[in-house]
Amino acid sequence: SQTIHQWPATLVQPVGSPLSLECTVEGTSNPNLYWYRQAAGRGLQLLFYSVGIGQISSEVPQNLSASRPQDRQFILSSKKLLLSDSGFYLCAWNLLAGGTQYFGPGTRLLVL
Amino acid sequence: TQLLEQSPQFLSIQEGENLTVYCNSSSVFSSLQWYRQEPGEGPVLLVTVVTGGEVKKLKRLTFQFGDARKDSSLHITAAQPGDTGLYLCAGHHGSSNTGKLIFGQGTTLQVKP
Repeated sequence: SQTIHQWPATLVQPVGSPLSLECTVEGTSNPNLYWYRQAAGRGLQLLFYSVGIGQISSEVPQNLSASRPQDRQFILSSKKLLLSDSGFYLCAWNLLAGGTQYFGPGTRLLVL
Repeated sequence: TQLLEQSPQFLSIQEGENLTVYCNSSSVFSSLQWYRQEPGEGPVLLVTVVTGGEVKKLKRLTFQFGDARKDSSLHITAAQPGDTGLYLCAGHHGSSNTGKLIFGQGTTLQVKP
């Protein structure tokens, strides 16, 4: 069966510090991978998606970047965090043929 | 811009009551999913509907996809405190080969015992 992992689960970082969030998927090959940010009690804002290694599409201009160094690894980064980067970050995967997405447990980021 | 409008945004009801959540768009979707999310966790898929007019039931939850595949509803019968959570609808366009979903803004449901 497939599983998706995210870490860390919680992160508190000062403004201006770098960020690296990691997401890995097990049990499948060539997944589409997605990074979302979610404000409390609200819907999901798509930040980045990737259809293959090294292929990254950005949905909104922002202070963040994403990379996919391996087939089942997706990394969300920032060189200098802003207060507005605080939120709940979710990674998800699906396969090309279907729309259903499977989500990781999320990372709660607080920038102070 | 392709949008999914969910309503209501917030719903607080007593245990045993019925409720309906709506998800509407001006765009046609090849499929639509409903997710439920608990605080601090990722969304979990409840159901996927793909055929216009389709109705699916999951215990006390009934999901319907509109005939034109532009809207959907979630009806909960005799709500229980365990139904409390954030409900999200998400649509997929068949023309997209990236598997991207368009998410609604969510409906927060609180069921009081």
